[in-house]
This record gives sequence, structure tokens and C-alpha cells, in this order.
Amino acid sequence: NAGVTQTPKFQVLKTGQSMTLQCAQDMNHNSMYWYRQDPGMGLRLIYYSASEGTTDKGEVPNGYNVSRLNKREFSLRLESAAPSQTSVYFCASSEAAPAYGYTFGSGTRLTVV
Amino acid sequence: QKEVEQNSGPLSVPEGAIASLNCTYSDRGSQSFFWYRQYSGKSPELIMFIYSNGDKEDGRFTAQLNKASQYVSLLIRDSQPSDSATYLCAVYSSASKIIFGSGTRLSIRP
Repeated sequence: NAGVTQTPKFQVLKTGQSMTLQCAQDMNHNSMYWYRQDPGMGLRLIYYSASEGTTDKGEVPNGYNVSRLNKREFSLRLESAAPSQTSVYFCASSEAAPAYGYTFGSGTRLTVV
Repeated sequence: QKEVEQNSGPLSVPEGAIASLNCTYSDRGSQSFFWYRQYSGKSPELIMFIYSNGDKEDGRFTAQLNKASQYVSLLIRDSQPSDSATYLCAVYSSASKIIFGSGTRLSIRP
């Protein structure tokens, strides 16, 4: 019962480095999401993919890119990391319309120094 | 105005008492409402969802929805130390995404 799997769990980057956060779900969900969570700010949507082949910007997309590789996988890329991107990143998935809520991955704790 | 508002807390409740968490939302077209529990260092976990006016009960948890007042609440009866966590209110309106409040930190004191 894997659900939503995120890798890596922890990462430290230097300013300007790039990296890709991976997310995969095995629940046959159509929609996938990337959120970041910062103290006092709650969960903020970065990008989402309502279905395979589509992606849309969320509330805080600047500095990020995404790829919906197939129905299972949705990756988040930081092209040139900045200290302001230090955060905990969560991937989530849902049925086509998330009327019944999301299932979250375990998160990636990213520090940019 | 934030789309989903919660008091950040901390809310301190004695063990065995009722904990009451509140949330307001701005979009009158909102369709579904959720409460997630998040332990420190962990991911959010869905504990309740409600989509029609009134109460929905699941064990010690009761979600209450009042669409006219744009108000959602979560009651936790017989509070236990294991209920100490941050509770996130979330709302599904449209455009295939859910909006989260910033969370209320709940502490159950023995």
C-alpha cells in the first residue's frame, strides 16, 4: 500500500544548484499536485496536473517547473535554487476532481544554503 | 482576505475535554470541506470531510458545516494526548484544487 511516494526525503543544495523532486502514485489517480509548506504560511500550491498531459500554475510557481511524465509520475524541478526555496515540499494526488480530498506523500525537506 | 482562515493557536485543552476548532472560508461556491491532521514532521492526514450542511460524526470527531455563515468546525470529544497536532482546514471550490488554511495547533494537556 505505497500510496504516494516522494524522493528524496531530505536534500541540501547550494544556491544556484538544480534538482528534481520525484513523485509517484499507485492509486490510478488522475490529478497530482505539488505544495510547499512554510512555518505560519500553511500549504501553498506550486503547480498541479489535473490529468495526464496537462499542467497548471498554482499560487507560487516562480522558480519551479514541472513534468507530468505519465499518469503515475509528477516531478518538480528547481532550475537554480535560492534560499527562499528552503521549505518542506509535499506531493499529493486525487481523483479527477478532488471532492474527496487528497492523499499526500511523506514530504521532502529541502534546505538551500 | 485569505480564502480559508483559521486561528493559529495554540489551543490548549485538558485531557478528556472537548476541543473545538474553527474555520471560515470566502468562496460561497465551495463544494467540499476537509479537516486534515498533521503531526510535527509528518504529512497531512485526512480525518474528516463534509459537503452538506449539518453535522458529520466519525468516532470522537464531529465536523460541522454552515454554508450560510461560511463556517466549518471540528469537534474532538474525549481529547487524548495523541490528538496534539496541527489541524488544517481545507476547501474545494473549483479548478481542480483544494485551498488550505494555515492550521491550528492543538495541545492536549494531561
